[in-house]
Amino acid sequence: GAVVSQHPSWVICKSGTSVKIECRSLDFQATTMFWYRQFPKQSLMLMATSNEGSKATYEQGVEKDKFLINHASLTLSTLTVTSAHPEDSSFYICSATGAGPETQYFGPGTRLLVL
Amino acid sequence: EDQVTQSPEALRLQEGESSSLNCSYTVSGLRGLFWYRQDPGKGPEFLFTLYSAGEEKEKERLKATLTKKESFLHITAPKPEDSATYLCAVQAMDSSYKLIFGSGTRLLVRP
Repeated sequence: GAVVSQHPSWVICKSGTSVKIECRSLDFQATTMFWYRQFPKQSLMLMATSNEGSKATYEQGVEKDKFLINHASLTLSTLTVTSAHPEDSSFYICSATGAGPETQYFGPGTRLLVL
Repeated sequence: EDQVTQSPEALRLQEGESSSLNCSYTVSGLRGLFWYRQDPGKGPEFLFTLYSAGEEKEKERLKATLTKKESFLHITAPKPEDSATYLCAVQAMDSSYKLIFGSGTRLLVRP
């Protein structure tokens, strides 16, 4: 139980293009989803929190116009990196909480490389 | 400010050599303390949630304990497959349910 998937697992794109990453809860309804980024040998940094049907809440320093988050259903949230640049290259990980709101279950991550 | 500090940064053990990982925290009202395991290139895997001082939880060779200021993850007779980064995170008693992560302990168990 509590399985979260992400797609794609790997993406390489050219600078200036937009990239969409999907996060799905496969066996539970996710009331809240979180998006993190992780640089090599560093810990997870929270980017934003999204609740189904409402606007995402972004952490301080995260550009909401650059990182667009949509949580259209109880099983799907998407992160779109708009006009990606090489400094956006990172490991993006989503998590989801269900009936027990405290515990976050994480997806396998998406590695983004912007050339 | 809520903060989590993990030590050591890295730990090398021989197979069968038991040890403990430390997680010190400051938080304005603790809702829960979480332990995750992360393998390279993968997302964190949930291990334990601890809610109050004195609480202990076990899973196979792992045992997590909690006091008012820190948590320990004890690894008994580790095996090479226990090699991973172990992350500690706290959740404050507010409405956000955000996790604040420590920097992790990289554990290497040699056969």
